[in-house]
Amino acid sequence: AQTVTQSQPEMSVQEAETVTLSCTYDTSESDYYLFWYKQPPSRQMILVIRQEAYKQQNATENRFSVNFQKAAKSFSLKISDSQLGDAAMYFCALPLSGNTPLVFGKGTRLSVIA
Amino acid sequence: NAGVMQNPRHLVRRRGQEARLRCSPMKGHSHVYWYRQLPEEGLKFMVYLQKENIIDESGMPKERFSAEFPKEGPSILRIQQVVRGDSAAYFCASSDSDGPLRQYFGPGTRLTVT
Repeated sequence: AQTVTQSQPEMSVQEAETVTLSCTYDTSESDYYLFWYKQPPSRQMILVIRQEAYKQQNATENRFSVNFQKAAKSFSLKISDSQLGDAAMYFCALPLSGNTPLVFGKGTRLSVIA
Repeated sequence: NAGVMQNPRHLVRRRGQEARLRCSPMKGHSHVYWYRQLPEEGLKFMVYLQKENIIDESGMPKERFSAEFPKEGPSILRIQQVVRGDSAAYFCASSDSDGPLRQYFGPGTRLTVT
């Protein structure tokens, strides 16, 4: 069964600095997608970034990038130039299998210090 | 294009009452997913529906919970005889025919059982 582990319940970063959130996972699929979602205090789930496992190049979306290590089953999220609005819960997720619904990690609460 | 709509946003029920949660997917989306988020936890998949069909309900409790997505109208998640342990945030997501790779989440319904 697919599992997702986020080992950092809480993280903090100074404004304008860089922070990396960790995620490891287990899957029996050979081709799959991985996701990072942000959940601010409003509780709305917002897709931050998506990685296709068959692509070696790490995905990047503006200040957000991933370090995807397929062999190690690691999928960390790097936030550069952190802003106050980045403060939120961050969840790593992957599909149960193939195209079926998502399995989420327990999340990392990110605080940004002004 | 309106996003995924959920109502009500907040719902309070006494133990033993019924809760009905509604989800209107994005226009053109025919796939709906329900997730539950307990306090300080990640989202957990409950059920996956397409129009008039339940595709996967492996995450749904066997008793008291049911879901439907009729040909016309919103998807409904129904919880009968609610108990305090049902208190949680319930999120709906929708996708188009490409499946869960492009899931868009609604704002959630926070259910409180008193």
